[in-house]
Amino acid sequence: EVKLLESGGGLVQPGGSMRLSCAASGFTFTDFYMNWIRQPAGKAPEWLGFIRNKANGYTTEYNPSVKGRFTISRDNTQNMLYLQMNTLRAEDTATYYCARNLPGFWGQGVMVTVSS
Amino acid sequence: DVVMTQTPPSLSVAIGQSVSISCKSSQSLVYSDGKTYLHWLLQSPGRSPKRLIYQVSNLGSGVPDRFSGTGSQKDFTLKISRVEAEDLGVYYCAQTTHFPYTFGAGTKLELK
Repeated sequence: EVKLLESGGGLVQPGGSMRLSCAASGFTFTDFYMNWIRQPAGKAPEWLGFIRNKANGYTTEYNPSVKGRFTISRDNTQNMLYLQMNTLRAEDTATYYCARNLPGFWGQGVMVTVSS
Repeated sequence: DVVMTQTPPSLSVAIGQSVSISCKSSQSLVYSDGKTYLHWLLQSPGRSPKRLIYQVSNLGSGVPDRFSGTGSQKDFTLKISRVEAEDLGVYYCAQTTHFPYTFGAGTKLELK
């Protein structure tokens, strides 16, 4: 059974940093592109970026809206996906999802609140 | 960015009724490989989005054939035949042809 489980969310002050994790199981992790998407309450999802699979060298693509502040990485030995978020702003407040091969399988999401 | 325009924003339906949702993109969604990367997802209340249809018309695993997708280039439609209670929620179209990937604003399907 495919499972994606995000963790690491919570409350952070503006200007702060946070790292989200996504634990993957039930599939061959290195075969898949892995995405991060966020969704502010009551709004549509926003794609943040992805990291490619082994066959494509684990390279990354980002939404310009977060490029330079957010970094996606993966640990293929642990089947883990990460999202490092820096210089956080109030508008980064959202539920953050990891997803396999958009529009594919999504995790249950983790909430991030940026507030003083 | 490619703008995805969904209509209507909301629909009120009776169980057993058929409905259609439109999604129009600001650019053609045909990729250089000839495929069209337009997808439909459903977000049931309190849940994460779930893939319904990928590449215009292909049903995701386990998705009932009451759902169907059609369209080409910039104009796409999701049809739900014989709506059931489990179909309620917000439907999103999404494109993964052009960077950055983008989503429509959603269509909320509610019970009449």
